[in-house]
Amino acid sequence: AQSVTQLDSQVPVFEEAPVELRCNYSSSVSVYLFWYVQYPNQGLQLLLKYLSGSTLVKGINGFEAEFNKSQTSFHLRKPSVHISDTAEYFCAVSETGGYNKLIFGAGTRLAVHP
Amino acid sequence: DAGVTQSPTHLIKTRGQQVTLRCSPKSGHDTVSWYQQALGQGPQFIFQYYEEEERQRGNFPDRFSGHQFPNYSSELNVNALLLGDSALYLCASSFLAGSSYNEQFFGPGTRLTVL
Repeated sequence: AQSVTQLDSQVPVFEEAPVELRCNYSSSVSVYLFWYVQYPNQGLQLLLKYLSGSTLVKGINGFEAEFNKSQTSFHLRKPSVHISDTAEYFCAVSETGGYNKLIFGAGTRLAVHP
Repeated sequence: DAGVTQSPTHLIKTRGQQVTLRCSPKSGHDTVSWYQQALGQGPQFIFQYYEEEERQRGNFPDRFSGHQFPNYSSELNVNALLLGDSALYLCASSFLAGSSYNEQFFGPGTRLTVL
C-alpha cells in the first residue's frame, strides 16, 4: 500500500517570494509521482509528474519538483510566486504497472499575499 | 473539445436517501475513475470503470456502486446516505493505451450535501 504525507497544511508567502511545498511518500513498490493544483470550486489540474529519468521535473506555471528516492520525497518549488498561485496543492502517487489509481495527500493551502 | 463534465454541480439530500451522480469523459477516453473529497482532505479513490466493468475499488462500502455505459459515460450511486457522505465527488477519465501511465483528467466535481 502507498501513503502520502504533505508536511504543511498551510503555507503563507508574499508575492514574488520563493516557495517550497513538501511531500513525502511511502510505498513498497515503485510509483509515479504527481502534483495537482485545485483552484476554488474547480477540479484538479495536473501541474507536473515524475515517471522516470531525470529527477528534476518541470511543470506548468513555472513550478518544478525534485524526486529524491533515498528520502522518498517529491517537494514542489517555485522561485517567485504570484497572487494567482493561491490555491490548494495535492501531492499524489500511483503504482507503476497498476491501474493508475491515485493516492493523494491531504493537501497544502498556498496563500500568496501582496 | 469538451473536457470531463459532471452533473449536477450541487446536490442536497437528506439522510437515508439515494443519489446518482453522472460523468461524461473527455472525448476519446474509455476509463472513468471516481474520487470522494471530503472538506479539507485530499481526494480518495472510490472505484474505476473500464469496458463497463468495475476494474478496481477503494475502501468504500457497498452503498457506493457505479455503472459505465457503452458510450463510456458513468454514474456513481450512493444508497442510504449518511452525513459523512457530504463531499465533493470528482470524476476522472483517461485512455487505456499500451503504456502503463495514462494521465487522468478531472471534472469540476459534484458537491453533495447530506442533511
